[in-house]
Amino acid sequence: GAGVSQSPSNKVTEKGKDVELRCDPISGHTALYWYRQSLGQGLEFLIYFQGNSAPDKSGLPSDRFSAERTGGSVSTLTIQRTQQEDSAVYLCASSLNFVEQFFGPGTRLTVL
Amino acid sequence: KQEVTQIPAALSVPEGENLVLNCSFTDSAIYNLQWFRQDPGKGLTSLLLIQSSQREQTSGRLNASLDKSSGRSTLYIAASQPGDSATYLCAVRPLLRYSTLTFGKGTMLLVSP
Repeated sequence: GAGVSQSPSNKVTEKGKDVELRCDPISGHTALYWYRQSLGQGLEFLIYFQGNSAPDKSGLPSDRFSAERTGGSVSTLTIQRTQQEDSAVYLCASSLNFVEQFFGPGTRLTVL
Repeated sequence: KQEVTQIPAALSVPEGENLVLNCSFTDSAIYNLQWFRQDPGKGLTSLLLIQSSQREQTSGRLNASLDKSSGRSTLYIAASQPGDSATYLCAVRPLLRYSTLTFGKGTMLLVSP
């Protein structure tokens, strides 16, 4: 596609429910990143996928968070047993090399 | 741990003014530095990327400089326009961990007609 796409654009869920957020990177981009942007905070790195290498999960805040990338393309970020502090905008980015990252529009998650 | 600070947090200027946004980082071992723009409710748009070996990059009315040794970068916007109103984010990529960008909290810019 022309750019990175994410779905849904908005997600409202109840505390304790699981949610899945999807990212479609730019075709051909080998690297994919997830970030979180909380109100009043900067962007926080969550996880990074590069080709077939093991993902860098160093930014995941708890074991309730997990992500996978199927076929080296689409990625899904899963948050289990959501908490109110998980409310944020979740941004996905992709890149062809380490030079520049291209961001999607984000998914706004609200946990009630 | 790398920390990125952006000053000011918010800036309001009349249309036509030239302005400078500042970014500082604590660890000079960076691979590159990138400036982004974020409109309300939107994702990030890359504006300029400066490799660690470069001193500046220009695109239209935007000019970004990098002084790696002092841990500073500036984004200069010439002849500001109301359409420039947005939040501007600075991010650095570390030299050894290519996987992550460290972001500042941004400068919220408002350009009034």
